[in-house]
Amino acid sequence: DAGVIQSPRHEVTEMGQEVTLRCKPISGHDYLFWYRQTMMRGLELLIYFNNNVPIDDSGMPEDRFSAKMPNASFSTLKIQPSEPRDSAVYFCASRAGQGAYGYTFGSGTRLTVV
Amino acid sequence: KDQVFQPSTVASSEGAVVEIFCNHSVSNAYNFFWYLHFPGCAPRLLVKGSKPSQQGRYNMTYERFSSSLLILQVREADAAVYYCAACSNDYKLSFGAGTTVTVRA
Repeated sequence: DAGVIQSPRHEVTEMGQEVTLRCKPISGHDYLFWYRQTMMRGLELLIYFNNNVPIDDSGMPEDRFSAKMPNASFSTLKIQPSEPRDSAVYFCASRAGQGAYGYTFGSGTRLTVV
Repeated sequence: KDQVFQPSTVASSEGAVVEIFCNHSVSNAYNFFWYLHFPGCAPRLLVKGSKPSQQGRYNMTYERFSSSLLILQVREADAAVYYCAACSNDYKLSFGAGTTVTVRA
């Protein structure tokens, strides 16, 4: 299994541009999580899906952020318009079923907004 | 608000035991998870559970609202960020801000 795959690994964009981060969860995992990592706050949960349905998006910082999961093997996190304070590492994680022990993280996307 | 607290930094010397303390105010959280994170890599689960446990050089203590991660015989290669997470009944992880461990040779 290739694990959770995120793309791109690095993204540099100008303020005001739209940014789309992508995630492919492990096959068979029915929960998908998006986290943002910053020096100040560590890992913050932004949103999570169960069976492609968003369950809790209370961590999404503002309306500029949106996430979708059109099918079981793909999710996107979009920022439009991007701002310098959005610069962070964004992690995707997936797990299977009711057990929390199957959490697997991707390697993250480092976003820099200049 | 559900929060998880851990120190921002811990300094140690090679061969010593490093202890990272974590406590939380997450409602309905009964399990702790400890992750290791090297920049540029995926966070990796070290040890977890709702009771004291050990995985290799990693020991985890457990109380209802607190846990400590102990790294035995710490090495320079253990220098990284360690995250504590509390797991609630809906299996959602709430993370602390991370503890940066530095190790002197």
